[in-house]
Parts: sequence; C-alpha cells; structure tokens
Amino acid sequence: DAKTTQPPSMDCAEGRAANLPCNHSTISGNEYVYWYRQIHSQGPQYIIHGLKNNETNEMASLIITEDRKSSTLILPHATLRDTAVYYCIVRPLLGSARQLTFGSGTQLTVLP
Amino acid sequence: EAGVAQSPRYKIIEKRQSVAFWCNPISGHATLYWYQQILGQGPKLLIQFQNNGVVDDSQLPKDRFSAERLKGVDSTLKIQPAKLEDSAVYLCASSPTSEYNEQFFGPGTRLTVL
Repeated sequence: DAKTTQPPSMDCAEGRAANLPCNHSTISGNEYVYWYRQIHSQGPQYIIHGLKNNETNEMASLIITEDRKSSTLILPHATLRDTAVYYCIVRPLLGSARQLTFGSGTQLTVLP
Repeated sequence: EAGVAQSPRYKIIEKRQSVAFWCNPISGHATLYWYQQILGQGPKLLIQFQNNGVVDDSQLPKDRFSAERLKGVDSTLKIQPAKLEDSAVYLCASSPTSEYNEQFFGPGTRLTVL
C-alpha cells in the first residue's frame, strides 16, 4: 500500500511555478521523501529526495513541513517538457525494505 | 554514459504463449530491478537482484514469472504462460548499490496479451 496521497491531476501555465503537494501523515523518523516523474512512454526519472530540511537541485525544490506529514515539490519555471506523472514516495534510509512503492501519482499538465 | 537498455520495446502475444524480456543495466551497477506497470497505475516491483542473487521476489507471481541474472550483469524476465492480465509495461531499473538513492530506469517493454 502506498503511504502517500497526491491529487490525481493538476494544470500549470508554462513559465509559472508548479507546486505539487503530497501527504504522508504516517511517515516514520527513518523514512525519506522521494520524488520521481514519468514522462509519457518513458521510464520514471528521479527528481529529488529529502528527510526534513528543504532541498534544492537543478530540477526542483522540495519543501517538507516541520512535522514531516506533508511536502511540496516545486518546479520553479514549468515548461511543456515538464508534463508528466509525478510520484511522491516514502522510503526508508536503510534496510531491506527500501523498495520504491509507487502510488498513482499526480498528472501535471503544463499549458502553453 | 549509456542508460539502461531494454528489448524488445513492444511485444504482442496470445494468451498461454511465452515471452521473454531482456535488460542491460548501466555498467557497474550491482542492483537490478524489474517492475510491472499496468495502465493507469504506478510501477510495482516484481524482483530485485544484487549482483546475481535475488534480494526480494515477494511480489513475483512465481507460478508463471521467472527472472535471472546469471552473470550479475544483464537480466531476463520470462512469463510462461501469459495471461490477459499480464498486459503491462515491464520496466527495468538499476543502481550502483541497493543503498544508492537513485534508481535509473530503462524505457520499458510494452506487452500486449490477446
């Protein structure tokens, strides 16, 4: 069972920031929040992950609430190529149960 | 750096036939994964290899699915006999180790069972 809840779909205007929410209210202390995305007809692609501090890389920013029960992935300037399904995944840091458990994700459509 | 290679990209078979998929991971990656992705759903892990050993195959339907990674490099996933509900995209992924944060996915093989 997926341990995260995401809206099934969102739209965003090209050039604007896309903010994708994720609820993970049952997250435990040794679990990280990961984000992957899957562009149509391609395999999933890693975006970013974090534990409790906000994280930023060349693709996106990840904001995790202080209680760690929810997070937001931010694409600062969305382009048409960012149209994809975005998956929020909770995953332990270590151990044999580190498999990626994908839910249904959020279909982000970037509109011209 | 070459990515994860999979073949074939598409396969159409009739139910009760057999089918095999091939995956060549990124060079040097010890961990290899096979996922099944049914239309409209997220990928589901079928099996995880560490080198040529199985780490987790708890979600592999072993009555019809088998997988091997004999030399710890490339891998094959086989279905025998196929059922209609096996229609899906089969994704292969690899990572340098099982503890590595990122998994690198191939483009997948789309299987249609008629």
